[in-house]
Amino acid sequence: QKEVEQDPGPLSVPEGAIVSLNCTYSNSAFQYFMWYRQYSRKGPELLMYTYSSGNKEDGRFTAQVDKSSKYISLFIRDSQPSDSATYLCAMSAGWSSASKIIFGSGTRLSIRP
Amino acid sequence: DAGVTQSPTHLIKTRGQQVTLRCSPKSGHDTVSWYQQALGQGPQFIFQYYEEEERQRGNFPDRFSGHQFPNYSSELNVNALLLGDSALYLCASSSKDRVGNTEAFFGQGTRLTVV
Repeated sequence: QKEVEQDPGPLSVPEGAIVSLNCTYSNSAFQYFMWYRQYSRKGPELLMYTYSSGNKEDGRFTAQVDKSSKYISLFIRDSQPSDSATYLCAMSAGWSSASKIIFGSGTRLSIRP
Repeated sequence: DAGVTQSPTHLIKTRGQQVTLRCSPKSGHDTVSWYQQALGQGPQFIFQYYEEEERQRGNFPDRFSGHQFPNYSSELNVNALLLGDSALYLCASSSKDRVGNTEAFFGQGTRLTVV
């Protein structure tokens, strides 16, 4: 069993829709929870990170962490075609969000104009 | 700020050969991590270097080795290449400080193809 499970998609939604992306994990030691966006042939770009449980909002993006259920989510409001990318959930048990990061397999998201 | 730079961008090698990939961290960063991303998969942690020493290592064989130089740049070496080593190799840099919450910035990666 993988430490981090993520539905690979692909997920296709119309422009303006609310997108919900999710991951589950098994390692209780994870403390940092991140979402990365990766465009084709590019390196991952950090969207948001959360320490421990709770919610965090940044513009159109909201990240939620439920440590009791070992479940994390990313919501994208008013989705735009430019949001089309692969979204990777990621977690770390180390001293910071930059310590050994364990990634999900990524969800391919497509926003239809 | 140039961000994290990696070279080369693409590379084709033959099975059994050796390869060296290079990474220059973002200005002000002193820690470099390497990841392997196979097609359709998330990146997998190979190892992390800080103060010129390997500090953490993922589940990769000894064929994968690295080095960090005094200027914080880093190399990833892979010996006896296998077809399964074909992947995007990503370098991420960060900085260790007393606060602890530092973001890892990723480079664009080196696409390695083993034939």
